[in-house]
Amino acid sequence: YVLTQTPSVSVALGQTARITCEGNNIGGKSVHWYQQKPGQGPVLVVFDDGDRPSGIPDRFSGSNSGNTATLTISRVEAGDEADYHCQVWDMSRNPLFVFGSGTRVTVL
Amino acid sequence: EVLLVESGGGLVQPGGSLRLSCAGSGFTFSRYSLNWVRQAPGKGLEWVSYISTTSSTTLYADSVKGRFTISRDNSKNSLYLQMSSLRAEDTAVYYCVRECTDSSCIDYWGQGTLVTVSS
Repeated sequence: YVLTQTPSVSVALGQTARITCEGNNIGGKSVHWYQQKPGQGPVLVVFDDGDRPSGIPDRFSGSNSGNTATLTISRVEAGDEADYHCQVWDMSRNPLFVFGSGTRVTVL
Repeated sequence: EVLLVESGGGLVQPGGSLRLSCAGSGFTFSRYSLNWVRQAPGKGLEWVSYISTTSSTTLYADSVKGRFTISRDNSKNSLYLQMSSLRAEDTAVYYCVRECTDSSCIDYWGQGTLVTVSS
């Protein structure tokens, strides 16, 4: 199963960034999103398509339908500059956890 | 505070072996399934291996099957990855990760340990 992400997205400070993750009928799976800053391990920012872990601001939201899942970052801040990875899970397949190729978000 | 701290990375020659360790703290270690995920330099994330809470089930990515062995010691709050027959393409940062309780996500990651396979 392959997840495809746009390699890079640029967004102006205070604007909205949309990061997509494409996969065959991905709308039928739960999609999770991770933020990774340089030299650090990833951090879960959205799980089960659109839920947020405690401590993650509500500027981060997600949706999932058809063949595309989307992570939306509203009112973008400089600290949001990072790589973002989508992920799905399928017990019937190998690999167990499937990750997208990652999207680099640059804040202008 | 949940912490996962990896150790054991380093430089190893092709064909060599290395054992990674991960110490967990701040949570009931034995109640969580754990995994290793790696990231080659400048590349995306790749799942490597899974182990259930009681070690009854282990799974491996095809790329490492037969060469890597995952294990855990719940009495020591520790996770391990024994790597053998290492190849240049195994060069990566290896992360110890904890699965979410009621979802198929990963809720905590370690800081990673770098494994470099080179002569």
